[in-house]
Amino acid sequence: GESVGLHLPTLSVQEGDNSIINCAYSNSASDYFIWYKQESGKGPQFIIDIRSNMDKRQGQRVTVLLNKTVKHLSLQIAATQPGDSAVYFCAETNTGGFKTIFGAGTRLFVKA
Amino acid sequence: GAVVSQHPSRVICKSGTSVKIECRSLDFQATTMFWYRQFPKQSLMLMATSNEGSKATYEQGVEKDKFLINHASLTLSTLTVTSAHPEDSSFYICSARDPLAGDNNEQFFGPGTRLTVL
Repeated sequence: GESVGLHLPTLSVQEGDNSIINCAYSNSASDYFIWYKQESGKGPQFIIDIRSNMDKRQGQRVTVLLNKTVKHLSLQIAATQPGDSAVYFCAETNTGGFKTIFGAGTRLFVKA
Repeated sequence: GAVVSQHPSRVICKSGTSVKIECRSLDFQATTMFWYRQFPKQSLMLMATSNEGSKATYEQGVEKDKFLINHASLTLSTLTVTSAHPEDSSFYICSARDPLAGDNNEQFFGPGTRLTVL
């Protein structure tokens, strides 16, 4: 049958600016969330995670925000660099079920 | 962090042949490994959960007789794509959990295997 390709949403930012990537998750029972970075032709790379008993967690240059009321996650990258250009996926899982479900992904393009 | 490898990284095969992809946890023992498939410009789709010493659990819509999974040891899971067809061409990625890495569900991903079926 005919197939329709999906196109990843793209976020284009200037080098040095802050980036915000958003994600809506689907399962109210999910209690652990992860952001992954995937470069072309490679597997996903862990960036930062957050548990459902938190609403914010900071790492080095990255911050994850969790809003359980509207089932929304965001990833903030400070002082975005060209090396940050990649596709970013949010993922949700349940500590009891172990299965991880990936979101649709956002392509981040950093302009020098 | 924990390291997961995949072999081969890239494979081209003829339609109708079978292809085996290996996933290894290099510095930890993984009782559970996961196989994902990723088509161009799309997200990772979970195909199956591979449990050491028992049968794999397949996601809805994934044919277990076409995608054979074997998890014979704590460091190795294999995915065999049987009678491959061009529509099976995709990027196959495995991941593994380290049961000793705390109570979270962090998974460590392999580098992926690009399968092209001619």
